[in-house]
Amino acid sequence: AQSVTQLDSHVSVSEGTPVLLRCNYSSSYSPSLFWYVQHPNKGLQLLLKYTSAATLVKGINGFEAEFKKSETSFHLTKPSAHMSDAAEYFCVVILTGNQFYFGTGTSLTVIP
Amino acid sequence: KAGVTQTPRYLIKTRGQQVTLSCSPISGHRSVSWYQQTPGQGLQFLFEYFSETQRNKGNFPGRFSGRQFSNSRSEMNVSTLELGDSALYLCASSFGTIFPGELFFGEGSRLTVL
Repeated sequence: AQSVTQLDSHVSVSEGTPVLLRCNYSSSYSPSLFWYVQHPNKGLQLLLKYTSAATLVKGINGFEAEFKKSETSFHLTKPSAHMSDAAEYFCVVILTGNQFYFGTGTSLTVIP
Repeated sequence: KAGVTQTPRYLIKTRGQQVTLSCSPISGHRSVSWYQQTPGQGLQFLFEYFSETQRNKGNFPGRFSGRQFSNSRSEMNVSTLELGDSALYLCASSFGTIFPGELFFGEGSRLTVL
């Protein structure tokens, strides 16, 4: 069973418009959740993390995500896309113990 | 503060050879973990080392092995290379009290197997 699902493999937005990258998880418990970004030929960089504190999490570069237990979702948003946001985004879920799973990634294209 | 350093950045090998990749973690980080990234399989966890001991392991064959030294630097070895081992190999470090927690990634070693 897939523990984390990124619903879109590719998202394309115009510069200055909102960004929505979707992530759903499967867990009976409240997991820890992360979003990482990977720019071309680079390693992954942490954007933000949820660890059972506030459900709305603010990250770097204007990104934020909201943990919704009822929907088992942790979608990543940004009000206004910038060209430098073009990258691959990964949702990561940590279940009980040391079980953790990477999503398959969402490639974000920003159109000038 | 220096980030995670991986060497070499690029390498080409032929089938049947072996390869060793190196990872120097951020100073003070005691956990080093390794990942394989391919277009088909995405990001997959290989293993994690903490204080020179393998603490967690993914689902990879025994051809993939690693070790960690007393200064927390880690090496990963792949023996008897196969074409399917072509991938970007990423290393990440963390303080290590809880794994995985917040991971700091290197830029990766891109391995091509011919």
